[in-house]
Amino acid sequence: DIVMTQSPDSLAVSLGERATINCKSSQSILHTSNNKNYLAWYQQKPGQPPKLLIYWASTRESGVPDRFSGSGSGADFTLTISSLQAEDVAVYYCQQYYTTPPAFGQGTKVEIK
Amino acid sequence: QVQLQESGPGLVEPSGTLSLTCAVSGASISSNNWWDWVRQPPGEGLQWIGEIYHSGTTYYNPSLKSRVTISMDESKNQFSLRLRSVTAADTAVYYCARGRLVDRSSLLFDYWGQGILVTVSS
Repeated sequence: DIVMTQSPDSLAVSLGERATINCKSSQSILHTSNNKNYLAWYQQKPGQPPKLLIYWASTRESGVPDRFSGSGSGADFTLTISSLQAEDVAVYYCQQYYTTPPAFGQGTKVEIK
Repeated sequence: QVQLQESGPGLVEPSGTLSLTCAVSGASISSNNWWDWVRQPPGEGLQWIGEIYHSGTTYYNPSLKSRVTISMDESKNQFSLRLRSVTAADTAVYYCARGRLVDRSSLLFDYWGQGILVTVSS
């Protein structure tokens, strides 16, 4: 099974500042046949289900603000919130959908400093 | 707008069977998508349980495969989860979700139910 590891486990960022979350997979999740990275990012606020933010490592889901961006390839990925807003306080998860079973990272909690 | 809603008992006795149903609205479960179950123990991360397609094809997490059955009722536009021989370790919020069919994968979850907490306790 592919294991997803996020860092850090938590971070505190001032409003308007940049937040960066890293995600590493135990093997490459780049499909060479289509050159796509099977990596998604989700946001989960307290008491709510996860919300899909980004897929294909860098494609924003419809309606997601452009302050959220994803990058990376192969086995190393990053989620960046360019200017943290109060409503961005949440736990963020990366997930590989390259193979079964799909796996999530352990989550990164983002708070306001 | 696609909506999913879980229902079922919030308390199950140890060694019993957990049974949940997910009612889908705004989309047909006979469409070209997969239908999934994901769980989250209190304060912990997310674990995929399994999925079903309208053909009846299912895939399960190997760690749970011996205890899990996912089925669907197209006439009611809903799908269900049964987890047998539960223990306290199965206490979690259980989510149903839609697996969007994308290039070579069905494991991208774009719509989720609100979740239902199931506690395993006597």
